[in-house]
Amino acid sequence: DGGITQSPKYLFRKEGQNVTLSCEQNLNHDAMYWYRQDPGQGLRLIYYSQIVNDFQKGDIAEGYSVSREKKESFPLTVTSAQKNPTAFYLCASSTTGQGNQPQHFGDGTRLSIL
Amino acid sequence: QKEVEQDPGPLSVPEGAIVSLNCTYSNSAFQYFMWYRQYSRKGPELLMYTYSSGNKEDGRFTAQVDKSSKYISLFIRDSQPSDSATYLCAPRITGRRALTFGSGTRLQVQP
Repeated sequence: DGGITQSPKYLFRKEGQNVTLSCEQNLNHDAMYWYRQDPGQGLRLIYYSQIVNDFQKGDIAEGYSVSREKKESFPLTVTSAQKNPTAFYLCASSTTGQGNQPQHFGDGTRLSIL
Repeated sequence: QKEVEQDPGPLSVPEGAIVSLNCTYSNSAFQYFMWYRQYSRKGPELLMYTYSSGNKEDGRFTAQVDKSSKYISLFIRDSQPSDSATYLCAPRITGRRALTFGSGTRLQVQP
């Protein structure tokens, strides 16, 4: 079955620690995205990548970093500089090109502070 | 002002009711209008999308866009308990890769 796999499902971070969230897709999509979801605020874009080895900051990139070394993978690192990391993190992917290319989402990683 | 406004609910209706979910937006450059459904502790799943103004129907779901008033609606006919979820509107500007999400409306359909 094609889809997006995020791991782990739950993650706990200690103060001053960096943590990495995994996102893998087998949909052969070129574009991948990371969103953060907080209660009552909807989804906000952290980073996105339209092609391997290239990515752009979204609206709330501070305290986060990404890499895109493979088409299938787009890991997100939450650094110690992110002072309020507790949230639900969602990875998405889509095709690129003309017209509308709907984004498909994984089932998220819930990050909490210890 | 947020670009997309959505009443958070919760909206509670009896099974079989017609449900109306709505969003307003401020950016007239939005051209594509998506509706996502999100069950608790899951990622959003795309329900349907429309381009520009007009209606689109898919089974029990109808999406409606009125660009003149910047108003987006999703209607659910014959609502079922399995429709209980949070519904997110997500308009997009042509050429902009990312979506702009509303905060979501939580719907509860009572059996």
